[in-house]
Amino acid sequence: EIVMTQSPATLSVSPGERATLSCRASQSVFSNLAWYQQKPGQAPRLLIYATSTRAAGVPARFSGSGSGTEFTLTISSLQSEDFALYYCQQYNNWPSMYTFGQGTKLEI
Amino acid sequence: DVQLVQSGAEVKKPGESLKISCKGSGYTFTTYWIGWVRQMPGKGLEWMGIIYPGDSDTRYSPSFQGQVTISADRSISTAYLQWSSLKASDTAIYYCARPQYSGYIDAYDIWGQGTMVTVSS
Repeated sequence: EIVMTQSPATLSVSPGERATLSCRASQSVFSNLAWYQQKPGQAPRLLIYATSTRAAGVPARFSGSGSGTEFTLTISSLQSEDFALYYCQQYNNWPSMYTFGQGTKLEI
Repeated sequence: DVQLVQSGAEVKKPGESLKISCKGSGYTFTTYWIGWVRQMPGKGLEWMGIIYPGDSDTRYSPSFQGQVTISADRSISTAYLQWSSLKASDTAIYYCARPQYSGYIDAYDIWGQGTMVTVSS
């Protein structure tokens, strides 16, 4: 089973600054990596898929990069609505299918 | 609009059985995998398993194999997650989710609103 490890667990950043979130896979997931944002009381929202493609309606300040086992989500200039939980997820064929990272809390 | 609508919150006692649902609309239900995701109180997302309603092909995370059963009824475009004997540790929000592309294992772009399951004596 592929294990996804996110760091840091909590990231404290000021509005307007850049945030960099990391995600590491225990083995290569190629480019099959997605990022989700979750706010309290809400379902997760897809931000990035295929490592670097923004989902529909996602602002350009969100970008993804990486390949293989090391991935990064960058938010270029934090807005107040960006403070939330972020999860990475690998998706692949059997047997690993899907795995989430444990999440990074982005706080002011 | 494409959407997944889940059944309402449940309060159950340990040992009871439960089946929650996820109804898809606005797309061809049989051609997209549907997954289930658990979120325990204050915790992260855990992928539980997935079903392809077209042929009922079902896969489980090793962590959930034997603990839950995933099924689907194509005639009413509904997927299910069920327990035969609930435990207090099953208390969580359960989400269903659909991948972006028909027939593929892919990122989830459509999510249900979640079903809160509380198991308490």
